[in-house]
Amino acid sequence: EIVLTQSPGTLSLSPGERATLSCRARQSVRDDYLAWYQQKPGQAPRLLIFGASGRATGIPDRFSGSGSGTDFTLTISRLEPEDFAVYHCQQYGTSPLTFGGGTKVEIK
Amino acid sequence: EVQLAQSGAEVRNPGATVRISCKVFGYTFTNYYMHWVRQAPGKGLEWVGLVDPGDGETRYAAKFQGRVTTSADTSTDTAYMEMRSLRSEDTAIYYCAIGPPGVELLTYWGPGTLVTVSS
Repeated sequence: EIVLTQSPGTLSLSPGERATLSCRARQSVRDDYLAWYQQKPGQAPRLLIFGASGRATGIPDRFSGSGSGTDFTLTISRLEPEDFAVYHCQQYGTSPLTFGGGTKVEIK
Repeated sequence: EVQLAQSGAEVRNPGATVRISCKVFGYTFTNYYMHWVRQAPGKGLEWVGLVDPGDGETRYAAKFQGRVTTSADTSTDTAYMEMRSLRSEDTAIYYCAIGPPGVELLTYWGPGTLVTVSS
């Protein structure tokens, strides 16, 4: 199975700042089938990005995804208070689907 | 509006079996895969398996093969996940999530069901 490593484990930033989250795969993700999910405390994850760079329905354009092959990035251009959460990457190009360990974005 | 409603929290002894449900609303049940994903306390997400309500096909993560069964009842638009031989490490929130057929993308998620395994 494809192992995904997310970094950093925790990102401490202030509202209005830019957040850059990394997701690295040990082997190439087929067709760049890489998704990002946001999870707030006590809630289920929510799909943000699919296919490395496509925004899911209703997701603000301050969220953007990029990358291909083994290196992927989620960027939040200007952090809003509601963006402080845990972010998970997931590959779905090769079965079984696998998740990274998550990055927590916390208020500095 | 797509909604997934999961059954309530469960407490089981080690070695027991648990069956949790996920009833769906707002879309055609047979048009999407139903996945099960778990999250142990303070940990990341782990895929358990899926069922295709359209034809009953199932797939499981290797570590759960033989211990988990996923199923779907098209008469009630409800999916089920049964896990047997429970151990303390199975304590987690179990989420159902739907995704388009043919790709293992998780588009909508249920609120989760807490399963606690403790003697």
